[in-house]
Amino acid sequence: KNQVEQSPQSLIILEGKNCTLQCNYTVSPFSNLRWYKQDTGRGPVSLTIMTFSENTKSNGRYTATLDADTKQSSLHITASQLSDSASYICVVRGMTSGGSYIPTFGRGTSLIVHP
Amino acid sequence: NAGVTQTPKFRILKIGQSMTLQCTQDMNHNYMYWYRQDPGMGLKLIYYSVGAGITDKGEVPNGYNVSRSTTEDFPLRLELAAPSQTSVYFCASSYSMKGAGQPQHFGDGTRLSIL
Repeated sequence: KNQVEQSPQSLIILEGKNCTLQCNYTVSPFSNLRWYKQDTGRGPVSLTIMTFSENTKSNGRYTATLDADTKQSSLHITASQLSDSASYICVVRGMTSGGSYIPTFGRGTSLIVHP
Repeated sequence: NAGVTQTPKFRILKIGQSMTLQCTQDMNHNYMYWYRQDPGMGLKLIYYSVGAGITDKGEVPNGYNVSRSTTEDFPLRLELAAPSQTSVYFCASSYSMKGAGQPQHFGDGTRLSIL
């Protein structure tokens, strides 16, 4: 069964500090991995996508990494801001037996940035 | 550009009642999805559609029905509401499900309580 596990479940940091969120997956065959940011009361918004051949990708203060061999990804947030307080969701796409690509969602990491 | 619009934003139902959650997108996306998000859990796919007139079951379809008569609209029907259907429901759309694809664009959710 396809699974996506995220850690930690929640994280509290001070404004300006860095943090790293982890995502382990067992989705196979692998198509791509996305990180989404979900603000409270809103729908998720895509931050970055990683494909099989990509190891690192940055989007401003967000840097995602992917190790397809160990099936692990991380999201590093640099110089955190209060607006980074949100849930960060790892989503992995794998192919079903019918040939469609269904996304599997992790439970998310709840990040709180304190001033 | 409105993106994905969901109505209503909040709703309280009594056990056994029925209702339709509305979802419309103005991005001309061919793929649309319905998810439910329970507290502390990842999003679970209820139904999805690859185009007008075509729908398919996701991971948790029991107790729900969908239709896709137009590209823009993808309503979700709850028949005989049960307390287990208390959740936040998200509608999403994208250009494609395959390969690297495009990100899913989410609405802001419908918060549904069954009492």
